[in-house]
Amino acid sequence: NAGVTQTPKFRILKIGQSMTLQCTQDMNHNYMYWYRQDPGMGLKLIYYSVGAGITDKGEVPNGYNVSRSTTEDFPLRLELAAPSQTSVYFCASRFDSIGTGELFFGEGSRLTVL
Amino acid sequence: QKEVEQNSGPLSVPEGAIASLNCTYSDRGSQSFFWYRQYSGKSPELIMFIYSNGDKEDGRFTAQLNKASQYVSLLIRDSQPSDSATYLCAVYGGATNKLIFGTGTLLAVQP
Repeated sequence: NAGVTQTPKFRILKIGQSMTLQCTQDMNHNYMYWYRQDPGMGLKLIYYSVGAGITDKGEVPNGYNVSRSTTEDFPLRLELAAPSQTSVYFCASRFDSIGTGELFFGEGSRLTVL
Repeated sequence: QKEVEQNSGPLSVPEGAIASLNCTYSDRGSQSFFWYRQYSGKSPELIMFIYSNGDKEDGRFTAQLNKASQYVSLLIRDSQPSDSATYLCAVYGGATNKLIFGTGTLLAVQP
């Protein structure tokens, strides 16, 4: 199994550009999450989804949008990129609402906005 | 008040010593507590989870939970240089389905 796959791994954007970070999982997990991690900091929750068609805001949703049309895919859209969105983005998934709590993480997408 | 708080460190311990990592949380309704390890440039990986008050041991790692004090800790016995990483505390539950992370504690084990 591939697990959680994120693309692209690296991207440089100009201020005002838009892009989509792709996330796909092949484990049939219901719960999916997008986090961002700034240098030397922990993970901040951007958006999450508890199943296809259901999404909700996390701690830092401004400037981002998500959709969840299938169980497998959870893309993150950045509109009008700003330097403050320079970060490493992690997509993660888990099967149930509590369980062991193990999040399966993708390898991360490093985004720089200049 | 931050939802999940950790001392950012760095925490420096000599090889073979016990490393003690601490975490406090604000939501009394929190149900599940996790410790993740993150090596530089890598994604986090789960080390331990704990639901009930008391201690839970797994090899060299022990998680301790005190819900009355809203406190969770991770002890690493016989610390090795390979344990050098950032340790992230994460808390789940309460009113939402969110898993909230602390800022992490950087552990450096000196050979």
